[in-house]
Amino acid sequence: EAGVVQSPRYKIIEKKQPVAFWCNPISGHNTLYWYLQNLGQGPELLIRYENEEAVDDSQLPKDRFSAERLKGVDSTLKIQPAELGDSAVYLCASSLDSGQYNEQFFGPGTRLTVL
Amino acid sequence: GQSLEQPSEVTAVEGAIVQMNCTYQTSGFYGLSWYQQHDGGAPTFLSYNALDGLEETGRFSSFLSRSDSYGYLLLQELQMKDSASYFCAVFRDDKIIFGKGTRLHILP
Repeated sequence: EAGVVQSPRYKIIEKKQPVAFWCNPISGHNTLYWYLQNLGQGPELLIRYENEEAVDDSQLPKDRFSAERLKGVDSTLKIQPAELGDSAVYLCASSLDSGQYNEQFFGPGTRLTVL
Repeated sequence: GQSLEQPSEVTAVEGAIVQMNCTYQTSGFYGLSWYQQHDGGAPTFLSYNALDGLEETGRFSSFLSRSDSYGYLLLQELQMKDSASYFCAVFRDDKIIFGKGTRLHILP
C-alpha cells in the first residue's frame, strides 16, 4: 500500500512569489493534516481536515496561506506571497480519523527555500 | 497552554541502553506518543501511552506517569540506525502537539 505522497520534494522560490504543495493521503484515511517543521523543531500543525471540512485552522496564517481538500481526498496548501521566514519543511500526514487516537502517517515533506 | 520539554541532544554507545525524557505542562490530554525522524525523512510512529505505565515494542519501551507529568522513551541494544530525532507528543483536542525533539547520537 502506498504511503502519503507529497510533491514537490523540494522547491526554491524568490520572496513574494506564490507556491503550492500537493498531498495525497493514504487511501481510506479521512483525516488529513498539514504541518510546518523548522530546522531543529517538532512539527507544528497548520490545518486539519476531516474529509473535505477544515475543522482546525487556528494556526494557519490566513493572510498568506490557504488550503483546500475539495473532494475529501488529496489536498493543496498554498502560500501567496511567500516570505523569507516561510523557508521550512511542509509535512502532510493522514490518519483514519481523529475522534480517538489514531497513528498519523507522514509524507516525506516538501522542503521550501525562499530566497 | 501546553509545552513539552525534551533534552536537545543525547549521546550513547552502540549496543547500550538510552532513555530520552519528556516532561510536559499541559492538562486534559488523552495520551503521550513518540515519533522517530531520520534526517531528511518523515516522522514515523513508535509508540502511544494512553494509560500510565510501560509499553514495550521490541527494543523500544515508552513510559508515562501523569501524576509526575513525565514520560520517557527507552531504547535497548542501540544500533547505528537508531541515530535520529525523537519527538514526544501529546494527543489532545483531536490533534497531536509535538515537542522540539531529542537528537540521538550513537557512537560506535
